[in-house]
Amino acid sequence: QSALTQPPSASGSPGQSITISCTGTSSDVGAYNYVSWYQQHPGKAPKLMIYGVTQRPSGVPDRFSGSKSGNTASLTVSGLQAEDEADYFCSSYAGSDNPYVFGTGTKVTVL
Amino acid sequence: QVQLVQSGAELKQPGASVKVSCKAFGDTFIGYNIHWMRQAPGQGLEWMGCVNAKSGGTKYAQKSQGWVTMTRDTSIKTAYMELTRLTSDDTAVYYCATEDCSGRRCQKDFDYWGQGTLVIVSS
Repeated sequence: QSALTQPPSASGSPGQSITISCTGTSSDVGAYNYVSWYQQHPGKAPKLMIYGVTQRPSGVPDRFSGSKSGNTASLTVSGLQAEDEADYFCSSYAGSDNPYVFGTGTKVTVL
Repeated sequence: QVQLVQSGAELKQPGASVKVSCKAFGDTFIGYNIHWMRQAPGQGLEWMGCVNAKSGGTKYAQKSQGWVTMTRDTSIKTAYMELTRLTSDDTAVYYCATEDCSGRRCQKDFDYWGQGTLVIVSS
């Protein structure tokens, strides 16, 4: 089972918006509305930012939003802030045989 | 809400085994699947498998089968992952994380994470 494909890096100035893509297949991202996104600061554990493609857990700023089209999911961060500088990983449910696959990760830099 | 606290770093020789623990504080334990992921240095996350806290049932990634065992002890709200026949390729930070299964369906995301356990395999 291959990892989901993400761009290695993304960047933007404070206040700008960035969008990170997460491309899978018709067996994972395209098949289920179970895409989630995680933020990871250096040396820290990942933090759930988006679940169920578009849902935000309590406490996550509404600057973070998720979407999906076909086999590609996306995370948009609006109004970039310095604290958003981190690695971001997507994940998708992929069925009962090998249930979960993660993305390759995207390093977000706030210029 | 739940907080997960994992056991400390381990240094193991090739061929050895290691058992990592993940203790839950706060919310009910039996309403979760406990998942285990690993992250090799500078790499992405890899899902290894999970254990249902209520039933003890397990699901492993194909790559994990035969050398990974996941268990739990509900009396002390702790999940365990044992890795056997370690090689240098197993050097990584290992994370536990919860999946909420208290509703009709499990949520299929990982909402609370432990702080990670560094396992170094080296002679």
